[in-house]
Amino acid sequence: SQQGEEDPQALSIQEGENATMNCSYKTSINNLQWYRQNSGRGLVHLILIRSNEREKHSGRLRVTLDTSKKSSSLLITASRAADTASYFCATDARYGGATNKLIFGTGTLLAVQP
Amino acid sequence: EAQVTQNPRYLITVTGKKLTVTCSQNMNHEYMSWYRQDPGLGLRQIYYSMNVEVTDKGDVPEGYKVSRKEKRNFPLILESPSPNQTSLYFCASSTRTWGPLHFGNGTRLTVT
Repeated sequence: SQQGEEDPQALSIQEGENATMNCSYKTSINNLQWYRQNSGRGLVHLILIRSNEREKHSGRLRVTLDTSKKSSSLLITASRAADTASYFCATDARYGGATNKLIFGTGTLLAVQP
Repeated sequence: EAQVTQNPRYLITVTGKKLTVTCSQNMNHEYMSWYRQDPGLGLRQIYYSMNVEVTDKGDVPEGYKVSRKEKRNFPLILESPSPNQTSLYFCASSTRTWGPLHFGNGTRLTVT
């Protein structure tokens, strides 16, 4: 079952602009994570935000979490061509008492034009 | 260097010919997992393992087998591959079931 859904599906911006992508999810979570995937390669963990946190920063990345709206956003400031990649949110969820596991969304494809 | 290593990177095979995709991690992680990635469907979990000799089904386990005889290795076995198993496969590991996950570089499998 799909937990997270990213929006938009694709985003094209110019180098130096900011990129914002959003993630909505359905069930209660303990944490939400963002990953980056360069074309056809493995996903790389970017940042984790816990359910009791509202905002977190890591370098040019800023993540917000609104648990009341079940949504998160990832902001990449001053984008570079090297930021071109797909970005996925992943939420941990407990299903019927089973062990928590990560559920991934379908991703946002970001293209940064030089 | 901490890493998850998958082999092979690319694999083309025919229907019904058994194959194994290997996965090895050098981070002493208890948790390992296999995912498949298909356009429009995101990443879907196939099988996971909480520790040696402990494995369980994910969301799409049909047609796959796994084993965890050693902590570092978690091979994915397709006993009789079919064309609907053509996909990009990822192995991942972590200290916890909910991550953060460390991913391998993927295996692109084509079954004709």
